[in-house]
Amino acid sequence: DVKVTQSSRYLVKRTGEKVFLECVQDMDHENMFWYRQDPGLGLRLIYFSYDVKMKEKGDIPEGYSVSREKKERFSLILESASTNQTSMYLCASHLAGGPGTGELFFGEGSRLTVL
Amino acid sequence: GNSVTQMEGPVTLSEEAFLTINCTYTATGYPSLFWYVQYPGEGLQLLLKATKADDKGSNKGFEATYRKETTSFHLEKGSVQVSDSAVYFCALRLYNQGGKLIFGQGTELSVKP
Repeated sequence: DVKVTQSSRYLVKRTGEKVFLECVQDMDHENMFWYRQDPGLGLRLIYFSYDVKMKEKGDIPEGYSVSREKKERFSLILESASTNQTSMYLCASHLAGGPGTGELFFGEGSRLTVL
Repeated sequence: GNSVTQMEGPVTLSEEAFLTINCTYTATGYPSLFWYVQYPGEGLQLLLKATKADDKGSNKGFEATYRKETTSFHLEKGSVQVSDSAVYFCALRLYNQGGKLIFGQGTELSVKP
């Protein structure tokens, strides 16, 4: 079965802390994504990666960075957390060049609260 | 720009009622269209999809038809169950954009027994 695992379901951090959100997929997918989910705004793309060590900005990259050192792992980094980054963060993966379904496989999400 | 607009929630229905969740889109070219569902405490999962005009996607009793002339992809189900209570997201994928999806704001559905 397809599996995307996000290491932390709930985190509470303080303003200014550095935060790491980890995501691992076991499907050998090339593409991985980080979205944030906020009520009334749906899902907004932060960053995505089409291959190891490659990354591209999404629609709301400010205040975030990412790392993809291995194919199966895609990390989201908040260099200095702020209260407006309190949100649900969703990781997803996608098989490049697949049957063209466009299907994303999502993790269960990481709910981050910044105090 | 490219975008997806869904009807606002929450939508509250009684069991066995008919469901429609409206979704319209703005996109260049001919996108593929998707409905994802998020059950409480879980991540999103694909519910159904349509890749070209007039295609009908269906799954678990849900249906949606890709209407190019009205740029719509409304989700319907004839008889909802309590277990259908979830948040539903409409999304589009532009041609040759791989897995990059543009999502609507989500519509929360609550079904009462």
